[in-house]
Amino acid sequence: DAEITQSPRHKITETGRQVTLACHQTWNHNNMFWYRQDLGHGLRLIHYSYGVQDTNKGEVSDGYSVSRSNTEDLPLTLESAASSQTSVYFCASSESTRVEAWEQFFGPGTRLTVL
Amino acid sequence: QKEVEQNSGPLSVPEGAIASLNCTYSDRGSQSFFWYRQYSGKSPELIMSIYSNGDKEDGRFTAQLNKASQYVSLLIRDSQPSDSATYLCAVASVYNNDMRFGAGTRLTVKP
Repeated sequence: DAEITQSPRHKITETGRQVTLACHQTWNHNNMFWYRQDLGHGLRLIHYSYGVQDTNKGEVSDGYSVSRSNTEDLPLTLESAASSQTSVYFCASSESTRVEAWEQFFGPGTRLTVL
Repeated sequence: QKEVEQNSGPLSVPEGAIASLNCTYSDRGSQSFFWYRQYSGKSPELIMSIYSNGDKEDGRFTAQLNKASQYVSLLIRDSQPSDSATYLCAVASVYNNDMRFGAGTRLTVKP
């Protein structure tokens, strides 16, 4: 069955370190997304990609970067981790390129703690 | 003002009752609306999407959209304890070219 996987599921790191969160999907979807979820804020879009070599900034992109070298993977990098980036991170994918039809399927999430 | 607003709850209903979840949004250019269910410690899963004014039914779930009032709701009929979760409203903004989520409403269905 097609799925989205994220790794690691839990990560503890220190302020200032570079961290990369992995996302892999076997839906063969062109679109992939990264969100963070914090209490009281719901899900907020960090970056998204419509296909290989395409990346776009979302609502809260500062301090994060992504790159898309193939259809299946969209790794999220925190260049210099900050305590404010402690959160649960979800990767998602969708089939449609039209934002109006972004029915998204989510991965299991990564809980990141920055000390 | 938040772009997508939901009552945080908790909303408590007895088993078998109708649960009504509400969502308002500020971007009049929004065209598509989604309801996700999220169990504690799990990832969101899509329940329904709605694009046109009116009602859309899928089993025990009915989504209602009123673009003039900038209001979207989710009704859950014959609520079950397994429906206890947080329900997230999401709005696709063509203007921002992204999706905005509400903070979610926590629903508890009591046996």
